[in-house]
Amino acid sequence: SAVISQKPSRDICQRGTSLTIQCQVDSQVTMMFWYRQQPGQSLTLIATANQGSEATYESGFVIDKFPISRPNLTFSTLTVSNMSPEDSSIYLCSARGAGGHGDTQYFGPGTRLTVL
Amino acid sequence: GESVGLHLPTLSVQEGDNSIINCAYSNSASDYFIWYKQESGKGPQFIIDIRSNMDKRQGQRVTVLLNKTVKHLSLQIAATQPGDSAVYFCAETPSNNAGNMLTFGGGTRLMVKP
Repeated sequence: SAVISQKPSRDICQRGTSLTIQCQVDSQVTMMFWYRQQPGQSLTLIATANQGSEATYESGFVIDKFPISRPNLTFSTLTVSNMSPEDSSIYLCSARGAGGHGDTQYFGPGTRLTVL
Repeated sequence: GESVGLHLPTLSVQEGDNSIINCAYSNSASDYFIWYKQESGKGPQFIIDIRSNMDKRQGQRVTVLLNKTVKHLSLQIAATQPGDSAVYFCAETPSNNAGNMLTFGGGTRLMVKP
């Protein structure tokens, strides 16, 4: 399995500022993803982080609001830009393709974001 | 992924009883399925997976059943313990999905009564 860590684990931010969330995997993985989870709800995919190229965004999510980087096979960042209270949520990093387990997808512990 | 309202379906069981959590999926092309457990304040934790060429797979105290005819997936937990209390999500992915992206169900909250 893959062990995924995220920083920060939580943050409280002011409206209009930006926050960058870091995701580190303990082994090289094929694919990395970013999800958002509102309290009491299921997971919504924001984008697939592509190594060395622009991320692939799902409907309703745009690069200007959620810029993503993936400089190598173990690390990715998600930035939540120009935040508003509606961005308050849990942001989850996920990875697939570690150690020969091609389809198994693992998740980080999440970053709990509160925007005031 | 899907999202549902604030009130997740809840299954309440007595400690020691068996639990069955159900999930219906809609994409007949889905061929890989995963169950996740999410405890409060944590990320989803992989429990068990199954491919469409199987109809049953067993793990430690857990069994996943797949009925492709009616597109139904279930997770059975034997001798449920208080530590099993969490929200459980099923997820699916079809082989023809270029990005192999998982689609998540709405989740079921399991509450174990001591």
